[in-house]
Amino acid sequence: AQKVTQAQTEISVVEKEDVTLDCVYETRDTTYYLFWYKQPPSGELVFLIRRNSFDEQNEISGRYSWNFQKSTSSFNFTITASQVVDSAVYFCALSEAEGNNRLAFGKGNQVVVIP
Amino acid sequence: DAGITQSPRYKITETGRQVTLMCHQTWSHSYMFWYRQDLGHGLRLIYYSAAADITDKGEVPDGYVVSRSKTENFPLTLESATRSQTSVYFCASSEFGQGSSYSYNSPLHFGNGTRLTVT
Repeated sequence: AQKVTQAQTEISVVEKEDVTLDCVYETRDTTYYLFWYKQPPSGELVFLIRRNSFDEQNEISGRYSWNFQKSTSSFNFTITASQVVDSAVYFCALSEAEGNNRLAFGKGNQVVVIP
Repeated sequence: DAGITQSPRYKITETGRQVTLMCHQTWSHSYMFWYRQDLGHGLRLIYYSAAADITDKGEVPDGYVVSRSKTENFPLTLESATRSQTSVYFCASSEFGQGSSYSYNSPLHFGNGTRLTVT
């Protein structure tokens, strides 16, 4: 069974600090996909990134960056120079290739950016 | 506008009543999903559908019924609502990702959610 663990439940940072969210996953499949979603206070779920198991290249998108390491089964997410608008719950999720696109979510990280 | 819409946004019902949550998408996505979100549990999959007339159970299907007679609609019915079903329900859809010689898992696109309270 697939499983995603996000250990930190709530993280508070002062604006302009960096924050890293840890995600550890478990799967028996060799082909799988990892995702991050953002849920701002308004409640909608916003897709941020997808990474497949064959692509370990790290990615940077503006102030967001992702570090995928198969050796440690981790897909960590860093927000650089955090802003108040980054305050949200962030979910890591896993989808197996033969899973009909089903996502298994971690429990989420509540990020609070203090101005 | 194209997208995925859920209705109603808020619903209060009594224990034992039947209630149906609606989900409609305009992308003609193959896959549709129902998740529930509860504090301390994150999002858990209730049911999903790979195509019209094909549905399957997720992690927490008990007490729920789904149908998918048309590609664009995926209603979720609580046959006899219980207080433990008080939650925020999210519908989602995704396309069947197909490259020239491979398939891939596409991101899910979520509706805005239905907040259901069972009294």
